[in-house]
Amino acid sequence: DIQMTQSPSSLSASVGDRVTITCRASQSISRFFNWYQQKPGKAPKLLIHCASTLQSGVPSRFSGSGSGTDFALTISTLQPEDFATYFCQQSYSSPYNFGQGTKLEI
Amino acid sequence: QVQLQESGPGLVKPSETLSLTCTVSGGSISSYYWTWIRQPPGKGLEYIGYMYYSGGTDYNPSLKSRVTVSVDTSKNQFSLKLNSVTAADTAVYYCARVHRGNDAFDIWGQGTMVTVSS
Repeated sequence: DIQMTQSPSSLSASVGDRVTITCRASQSISRFFNWYQQKPGKAPKLLIHCASTLQSGVPSRFSGSGSGTDFALTISTLQPEDFATYFCQQSYSSPYNFGQGTKLEI
Repeated sequence: QVQLQESGPGLVKPSETLSLTCTVSGGSISSYYWTWIRQPPGKGLEYIGYMYYSGGTDYNPSLKSRVTVSVDTSKNQFSLKLNSVTAADTAVYYCARVHRGNDAFDIWGQGTMVTVSS
């Protein structure tokens, strides 16, 4: 199985800040990599697929980068609605494991 | 626009079978893969398995011996069965659509909480 390790597990930031969350895969997954946002009591929402492709409707302040084993999610200018937990996921091979999550507190 | 809705019992007794259904509305179940994911309270996301509309399946090895997923194209639904449940199976269960080409989970149901308790 491919293991996904996110860091940090939690992050405090202010509105207007630029933040970056990272994720590392235990083996190369090319660009079969996704980021999700989950707000309390809600289902996860796909933000970015293929490492850097923004899902339709997602604000351009979100961006993704990386390939192989190391990936990053950057939020350029934090907004109050970005308070959420973010999960990474590999879609290279089954089981399609997720990272443990990063809780972003504003 | 495609929407997914999970349904099923919210309480299951230990050793019994958890059964959930996901109804797809606003689009056809055909030509896509569909998946189940779960999230224990306060914890992360766990992939359970997926199925193709024509019947192919894949399961997480950690659950494979207890899981069955199936599809009913006539009802635009797909289902999950997890047998011999324990308290460790208590979680919010989500169904989702698998994006063609990159296997990301692009549309999710709202989730349904299932508690395993006597």
